[in-house]
Amino acid sequence: TQLLEQSPQFLSIQEGENLTVYCNSSSVFSSLQWYRQEPGEGPVLLVTVVTGGEVKKLKRLTFQFGDARKDSSLHITAAQPGDTGLYLCAGAGAGSYQLTFGKGTKLSVIP
Amino acid sequence: EAEVAQSPRYKITEKSQAVAFWCDPISGHATLYWYRQILGQGPELLVQFQDESVVDDSQLPKDRFSAERLKGVDSTLKIQPAELGDSAMYLCASSLRDSRFNTEAFFGQGTRLTVV
Repeated sequence: TQLLEQSPQFLSIQEGENLTVYCNSSSVFSSLQWYRQEPGEGPVLLVTVVTGGEVKKLKRLTFQFGDARKDSSLHITAAQPGDTGLYLCAGAGAGSYQLTFGKGTKLSVIP
Repeated sequence: EAEVAQSPRYKITEKSQAVAFWCDPISGHATLYWYRQILGQGPELLVQFQDESVVDDSQLPKDRFSAERLKGVDSTLKIQPAELGDSAMYLCASSLRDSRFNTEAFFGQGTRLTVV
């Protein structure tokens, strides 16, 4: 099983601030996804990255896949209270359909 | 919009009792996952199906947990007997299987299990 480490574990910021969360592994992933989960609900897919060095933007969210496909970051610009939630990264190894999740970063954006 | 259906949404059961969860994946999705999630942590894979076959159940406590997907469509996860430590959110997800090893998973709303 491939391990994904997310940091920080908890993050509390003021509305309008920028933030970055990280997802790291010693293993290479064929693809990596980011999900957002609200309390009591299932995770919702935000983005998938598959190419080393790839950058994807989703409104105020910017996702980057490391060149070696072992790590990824999520950057949020001008955070809003609606961004509050648990952010999870998940990856699958080369030739595998098994999806492994990190422990998540719990983000709180204070109005 | 197609979605993964799970039931029940909430379940309270006494320890030593049996409990079952049901999942109906998105139509056409060959891969089905059952995950367990402790509050505030990431989901942990219990079992993964490809059509009706189990492809990974290495983390499934087989002395008390069982899972089936008889016709390769919907699935049932059972716990018997339930223990206090089984209290968690049980999530079902499905994904397409294609030549690109697509693992984008779509989750249901989960079943919140409380064992008392």
